[in-house]
Amino acid sequence: GAVVSQHPSWVICKSGTSVKIECRSLDFQATTMFWYRQFPKQSLMLMATSNEGSKATYEQGVEKDKFLINHASLTLSTLTVTSAHPEDSSFYICSARLTGQGRYGYTFGSGTRLTVV
Amino acid sequence: GQSLEQPSEVTAVEGAIVQINCTYQTSGFYGLSWYQQHDGGAPTFLSYNALDGLEETGRFSSFLSRSDSYGYLLLQELQMKDSASYFCAVRDKNQAGTALIFGKGTTLSVSS
Repeated sequence: GAVVSQHPSWVICKSGTSVKIECRSLDFQATTMFWYRQFPKQSLMLMATSNEGSKATYEQGVEKDKFLINHASLTLSTLTVTSAHPEDSSFYICSARLTGQGRYGYTFGSGTRLTVV
Repeated sequence: GQSLEQPSEVTAVEGAIVQINCTYQTSGFYGLSWYQQHDGGAPTFLSYNALDGLEETGRFSSFLSRSDSYGYLLLQELQMKDSASYFCAVRDKNQAGTALIFGKGTTLSVSS
């Protein structure tokens, strides 16, 4: 249980185009979704926190106009990388915190490998 | 803010025991977690300590000392499949939510 489905698992796009990454909570309601970015051999860096029905909160140094986050429902959060550039190539992972109903901790999507060429 | 320090690399042989240390600095403490990540995969939860002491889960154990702001992950009877990155993490409570903040990660290489 407590699965977050993330799509696509990998994507290659051209510089200047936009890419949308989806995370769906399959058997629970994710009030809050966290988005991370991970460069090779580095840690997971928190990019933003999204709460259903409200604007996302971005970490310092993350461009909100470039990384658009939408959390319109309790089961879907999306991250759109706009006008992608090669330096945006990274591994993007979403995560939801599990609360209540005997569930604890955090669950992660499977990640999206973005390559911008 | 939060900061976590852990060694960047550890090597060991099959069957050995390895300890990965983590020291942390937090403005508020809500427990220390450990995650495993294989190349190209998502982090998977290993262990969590909210209170001082040892938590044992099969071959993996985790220890916490809140007074020392220190914890460690102990991996016993190492197997090749344990080769992965290991992250300690703490919760960061802010207005938006309670996100996990990860250490830089320790790459464990297990050889035969």
